[in-house]
Amino acid sequence: EAAVTQSPRNKVAVTGGKVTLSCNQTNNHNNMYWYRQDTGHGLRLIHYSYGAGSTEKGDIPDGYKASRPSQENFSLILELATPSQTSVYFCASGGTGEANTEVFFGKGTRLTVV
Amino acid sequence: QQKVQQSPESLSVPEGGMASLNCTSSDRNFQYFWWYRQHSGEGPKALMSIFSDGDKKEGRFTAHLNKASLHVSLHIRDSQPSDSALYFCAASEVGNYAQGLTFGLGTRVSVFP
Repeated sequence: EAAVTQSPRNKVAVTGGKVTLSCNQTNNHNNMYWYRQDTGHGLRLIHYSYGAGSTEKGDIPDGYKASRPSQENFSLILELATPSQTSVYFCASGGTGEANTEVFFGKGTRLTVV
Repeated sequence: QQKVQQSPESLSVPEGGMASLNCTSSDRNFQYFWWYRQHSGEGPKALMSIFSDGDKKEGRFTAHLNKASLHVSLHIRDSQPSDSALYFCAASEVGNYAQGLTFGLGTRVSVFP
């Protein structure tokens, strides 16, 4: 089965600090995604990528940057972390971008900003 | 406004019973639907997709789509304790599938003995 690995699984950061969440997929999928999950908001798309070197803004990109240096790796960067960014973050990958292509999720990173 | 709306928020079902979940899209551009399931501490995992009018059955799970009303439902037959989870309806935008899925807020299903 398709594998998406996130690191770290848990992170405590200080307000104003820089945080980098990493994601690796071994599925050779073109498309990768970063979502955050909050109670009352479901899963919301932050950034996505069509392939190495590309990053696109999702529905809630403010305060976040993304980097896709290779097909396998996709990072989410919080340059100046704020308590409102406390959340569970999920990375996902999908293949062809067709409607019938399944999107596979990692296990998530729980981020707490204090 | 939430583009994908789910109901109910939560549902308790006896073991062996039927669970019924609902989902509606408020945007006609979102016509391709997926059901995802998330167990506690895990990432969401796809259960099934449905893109055409009518029913689609996979084991104990049956999805039904009405494209005219953009309403999709999921029915879980013979519910098991392992079915206790958060269920998401997700939709992709016609022609923009690579831009990812738009998720509803989820329905929490609890199966009790």
